[in-house]
Amino acid sequence: AQSVTQLGSHVSVSEGALVLLRCNYSSSVPPYLFWYVQYPNQGLQLLLKYTSAATLVKGINGFEAEFKKSETSFHLTKPSAHMSDAAEYFCAVTRSGGYQKVTFGTGTKLQVIP
Amino acid sequence: NAGVTQTPKFRILKIGQSMTLQCTQDMNHNYMYWYRQDPGMGLKLIYYSVGAGITDKGEVPNGYNVSRSTTEDFPLRLELAAPSQTSVYFCASSSRDLDYGYTFGSGTRLTVV
Repeated sequence: AQSVTQLGSHVSVSEGALVLLRCNYSSSVPPYLFWYVQYPNQGLQLLLKYTSAATLVKGINGFEAEFKKSETSFHLTKPSAHMSDAAEYFCAVTRSGGYQKVTFGTGTKLQVIP
Repeated sequence: NAGVTQTPKFRILKIGQSMTLQCTQDMNHNYMYWYRQDPGMGLKLIYYSVGAGITDKGEVPNGYNVSRSTTEDFPLRLELAAPSQTSVYFCASSSRDLDYGYTFGSGTRLTVV
């Protein structure tokens, strides 16, 4: 069985401040991990993914995430928030090694305050 | 490059009516999925397919049916619509190794009244 837990359904940051969105996963086998972003009234877009190569993964729009096996975490960060980062962010997990069903977290809505 | 196309974008159904949500992808992906998204609940997998002619149930399949006659199309059928099926529905597709994760459609917002 696999699952992800996103801590905080809503996060607010000031423009220019650090963005930190938390994700912890549970998986009995080595995982693949993903972060997706959803803008209002749109589908989800892939931000970045971890597939057992480098533990620090860089994605689009200046976001990155670090895979920490000892902490079973895959937190998403961005050094300086921009107004356009306001969206909902989803962490997701699946088993490594090819196709498996992906399990999504419940999402974190990011508000950026000017 | 259209990606994943869903139609319609919005629909209001009366209780007991039926409808089909259409999903088409042009990336030659073998794997396709239907999710529903409810506020605060994330995405729940309804059905998925690993290739033409092969489908399987996800977490929440009750009240839905799917078919996969071609690689491109993966329609979702709602029979006897109920208020509990009010949701936003997303279709997605992927390659086997999830090179680019899932590619999502823009969604169908369904209200059952």
